[in-house]
Amino acid sequence: QKEVEQNSGPLSVPEGAIASLNCTYSDRGSQSFFWYRQYSGKSPELIMSIYSNGDKEDGRFTAQLNKASQYVSLLIRDSQPSDSATYLCALGLYGNNRLAFGKGNQVVVIP
Amino acid sequence: DAGVTQSPTHLIKTRGQHVTLRCSPISGHKSVSWYQQVLGQGPQFIFQYYEKEERGRGNFPDRFSARQFPNYSSELNVNALLLGDSALYLCASSLDSVILGQPQHFGDGTRLSIL
Repeated sequence: QKEVEQNSGPLSVPEGAIASLNCTYSDRGSQSFFWYRQYSGKSPELIMSIYSNGDKEDGRFTAQLNKASQYVSLLIRDSQPSDSATYLCALGLYGNNRLAFGKGNQVVVIP
Repeated sequence: DAGVTQSPTHLIKTRGQHVTLRCSPISGHKSVSWYQQVLGQGPQFIFQYYEKEERGRGNFPDRFSARQFPNYSSELNVNALLLGDSALYLCASSLDSVILGQPQHFGDGTRLSIL
């Protein structure tokens, strides 16, 4: 089982709609979770971090964490064409002091 | 404040050569991590250094090595380059180690191409 799984294929959403991304993980000991945005040809940019069960909102972004079910999600409200990018889910692993990343989900916002 | 800076931005090497990539963390950050990202995949962890000590090592061969200097900058060295080493190499810095949940901030990366 992969440490972090992002299984959805490319996601196309109309401008102004909500984009929903999901991520599951295998290590129950993980305590820190992050969402990064990566534009084509660029490096990952941190957009959200979450450490406790529940929701965390930052502007148009909401991260949701459910440790019992081992998933973390990201909602993008009022999607804009500038949100078109690949979104990477990552978790902090204590044992090896590192971030483990999913392979990412591509989001395309259609004007 | 300057973000994480990496050099060079692009590099072309041939098989069997050696390469050194450099990274300067955000001012005040003591932890530096290195990742390899191939097209279509998420970054894969290579090393983490904190206070000049290696704190983590990913599943990469011994051809990969790194070090951190007293000013917290870091170098990643790769010997005996293979075609499969072609990738974007990312450096990330954080205030402390991941174990305390500190987010990591990435530099622009070095794109390494092996011919």
